[in-house]
Amino acid sequence: QQQVKQSPQSLIVQKGGISIINCAYENTAFDYFPWYQQFPGKGPALLIAIRPDVSEKKEGRFTISFNKSAKQFSLHIMDSQPGDSATYFCAARRKGSARQLTFGSGTQLTVLP
Amino acid sequence: GAVVSQHPSWVICKSGTSVKIECRSLDFQATTMFWYRQFPKQSLMLMATSNEGSKATYEQGVEKDKFLINHASLTLSTLTVTSAHPEDSSFYICSARVIDFIDTQYFGPGTRLTVL
Repeated sequence: QQQVKQSPQSLIVQKGGISIINCAYENTAFDYFPWYQQFPGKGPALLIAIRPDVSEKKEGRFTISFNKSAKQFSLHIMDSQPGDSATYFCAARRKGSARQLTFGSGTQLTVLP
Repeated sequence: GAVVSQHPSWVICKSGTSVKIECRSLDFQATTMFWYRQFPKQSLMLMATSNEGSKATYEQGVEKDKFLINHASLTLSTLTVTSAHPEDSSFYICSARVIDFIDTQYFGPGTRLTVL
């Protein structure tokens, strides 16, 4: 049962453009929402994360927007670069002692030079 | 900080053999580690939660007798795929929980398992 839905599956953006990836969750038992970047053959790397009591968080070119009432959050990549071409996963952390992560299905981003 | 390593990075084995994958936290102690598997162009699926000094907790549908997990120290967790078959071929990734003000997971580089 997928509890975090991610879209689009793939995204092609021109260099300098804005990349937007959206996620929605169904379960309210999540308390933390990280985004991970993964290059082929590598493990995911933490990119940016947000808590549900914050509506927006910005780190450099990366911004998370969070809408608690709609149970949606999104990643915006400003001034997208070819080096940003990777697969992006949103995730939601379960409340509880172990803090497991539930991942979205992933978005393959291609930034054209 | 928060570096997680895995060994080996890739392994090829014959059907029916067992394979051990190590996950180490290099610069911190991790009481909790997680094991995931990822098929090509798919998301990460949590297999089990590994706690130091206790039995692992497996996700529904994951065979605990096939995927043996041992978390014997605060810096090492191992995943053993027993009697591997071609359908076990996948990318196995571990992560370690860092309990700081963020309390999140940092991932290893992954291990590519190919079973012939």
